[in-house]
Amino acid sequence: DQQVKQNSPSLSVQEGRISILNCDYTNSMFDYFLWYKKYPAEGPTFLISISSIKDKNEDGRFTVFLNKSAKHLSLHIVPSQPGDSAGYFCAAGNSGNTPLVFGKGTRLSVIA
Amino acid sequence: DTEVTQTPKHLVMGMTNKKSLKCEQHMGHRAMYWYKQKAKKPPELMFVYSYEKLSINESVPSRFSPECPNSSLLNLHLHALQPEDSALYLCASRGTGGGARETQYFGPGTRLLVL
Repeated sequence: DQQVKQNSPSLSVQEGRISILNCDYTNSMFDYFLWYKKYPAEGPTFLISISSIKDKNEDGRFTVFLNKSAKHLSLHIVPSQPGDSAGYFCAAGNSGNTPLVFGKGTRLSVIA
Repeated sequence: DTEVTQTPKHLVMGMTNKKSLKCEQHMGHRAMYWYKQKAKKPPELMFVYSYEKLSINESVPSRFSPECPNSSLLNLHLHALQPEDSALYLCASRGTGGGARETQYFGPGTRLLVL
């Protein structure tokens, strides 16, 4: 049973346009959500996070939106750049040090 | 500083070898993790150490043996591995206290090839 789902394995976006990566979760106990960027054969790099008490968090070109009633979060990257081409993993957790639960990832390709 | 370091970066070993992977963080995090990751898959949790004690072992074969010598260091001892154990091994650490303090940071990984 997948508690965190990224239903799009891949996404292609034109350079300069907006990239929207989606993530759904089923466990209402999650209170903290993170996005990681990953290049092949490298460790995931933390991008941005959001607490369940917020519905939006912004950091430069990256914005994460959380819709708790729909159990849905999304990562917006604008404007998209070729260097953003990578794998993106959504993760969810809760306070108390239970391990993060990861989605299967979405491969983003930004085309110049 | 949000750095988690791992050594070695690459490792090739035979099925009869014994080797160790090392991980270090100086963020004061008291939770440390070992993950295994295959290409195009999410990280797969292997072990969790909380306050230097093993708190989770995700049914990992005994040929993988973790060790936490102190709050900054985490080792993974490898013995008699199989070719299917070839993967990227990731260490991570995470703080406590809620919110952004619980952000989990990953190391760059050790790319392991078992021949």
